Amino acid sequence: AQRVTQPEKLLSVFKGAPVELKCNYSYSGSPELFWYVQYSRQRLQLLLRHISRESIKGFTADLNKGETSFHLKKPFAQEEDSAMYYCALFLSGTYKYIFGTGTRLKVLA
Amino acid sequence: ETGVTQSPTHLIKTRGQQVTLRCSSQSGHNTVSWYQQALGQGPQFIFQYYREEENGRGNFPPRFSGLQFPNYSSELNVNALELDDSALYLCASSGLDGYTFGSGTRLTVV
Repeated sequence: AQRVTQPEKLLSVFKGAPVELKCNYSYSGSPELFWYVQYSRQRLQLLLRHISRESIKGFTADLNKGETSFHLKKPFAQEEDSAMYYCALFLSGTYKYIFGTGTRLKVLA
Repeated sequence: ETGVTQSPTHLIKTRGQQVTLRCSSQSGHNTVSWYQQALGQGPQFIFQYYREEENGRGNFPPRFSGLQFPNYSSELNVNALELDDSALYLCASSGLDGYTFGSGTRLTVV
């Protein structure tokens, strides 16, 4: 069965500290993984996708097929990074997402 | 308006009633997907419409139904509302450039 697991509901870090938001997936095919972010009172928006291997707002994520993980990382957290983060598996055959339950990141001053 | 717009933004309904939520897709997008996001959960796929036909469905009962119109806008209808239907309902349109989510309609069933 396809599944995305985000084990942490809440992650609090101090400004300037490194951040790692964990994501594990279960999928028998070749995964397409994404991170979405939802800032307070804003819509869900794409942060990054594993295919592009880009860094957005200082965040990166590497797909590790051996560990079936796609953790989101940032070396130095900023207060404006406080938001809800969702890891999502995209099923290209059906063109739908399987989302994790999300992790709320709080960056403390 | 080039993004995905949803209406209404908030809605309160009584158990047993019926509700219709609306979504205008982003310009150039011909596929619309609906997701339910219950409190504390990630969005869950309800169904998707492409060229006015249902093109995939998640694990939701038949009282959740939808429509897509020739201009690619869409409606989500829920009959016989239950308390557990209280959630944020997200619409997303998609095309060659990917997915775009709307801000959602928050439905409260009392």
